[in-house]
Amino acid sequence: GAVVSQHPSRVICKSGTSVKIECRSLDFQATTMFWYRQFPKQSLMLMATSNEGSKATYEQGVEKDKFLINHASLTLSTLTVTSAHPEDSSFYICSAKNPGSGNQPQHFGDGTRLSIL
Amino acid sequence: AQKITQTQPGMFVQEKEAVTLDCTYDTSDQSYGLFWYKQPSSGEMIFLIYQGSYDEQNATEGRYSLNFQKARKSANLVISASQLGDSAMYFCAMREGLGGATNKLIFGTGTLLAVQP
Repeated sequence: GAVVSQHPSRVICKSGTSVKIECRSLDFQATTMFWYRQFPKQSLMLMATSNEGSKATYEQGVEKDKFLINHASLTLSTLTVTSAHPEDSSFYICSAKNPGSGNQPQHFGDGTRLSIL
Repeated sequence: AQKITQTQPGMFVQEKEAVTLDCTYDTSDQSYGLFWYKQPSSGEMIFLIYQGSYDEQNATEGRYSLNFQKARKSANLVISASQLGDSAMYFCAMREGLGGATNKLIFGTGTLLAVQP
C-alpha cells in the first residue's frame, strides 16, 4: 500500500486563487520531504526540500513567496501555490524516505494535477 | 554537480522482447545510489530497482536488471520479456550519499517506452 499520500489529486481553479497541496508520510516519520514539479512530457524538477521544524530549502530559480512550504509535523508537509496563474499549471509531486530504511528509495505521492484557468 | 543523462527520448519494443534503456551519470561523490522509476500516464512514480555505488553485483528485480558499469558511469535498465503494461515513461535518478533521508534525487529527462503487440 501507499506509504506517502498526497492530496488533492487534481485541482482546477481560477487565476488568483491560492492552492494548498498536502503530503503525508503514512507509516514513518519524515523529517525531510521533497517537492517536485513536472511539466508535460518533461522530467521531475526538484523545487524545494521541506524540513520539519525549520525553513524549506529552495532550488535556484524557485520563488519562495510563490511556493510556500510548511512542514509543521513529522508526517505532514504542505505546498501552497499563492495567487496561482495559468503558468503555474503543472503536475506537483512530493516524496519522502523513511530515515530508518537504509538504502531504500524515496516513496512518492500520487501527484497533484493543478490547472489554473 | 551531479547530472543524469538519458539520451533516448523514446523507444519501441515488441512484446516479449528485451529492451535496454540507457542512463549515464556524473558525480564527484564516491558514495551514491542509482534508481529507476516508472511513470505511467496516470502520473504516479513507481520504484523499480536500486544500485548502490559500492554494490559489486548488478541489481535485479524480477524482469528488471540494472547493467551497472561504474568506470563508464552508466546504469542502464534492462527489461526482459516486455509486456504491454510496461509502456510508460522511465526515469533514471541519482542520490548522492548512501541511505540519507535528506539527500535529494536528481532525475534524467526520461525515456518513453512503447511496447508493441
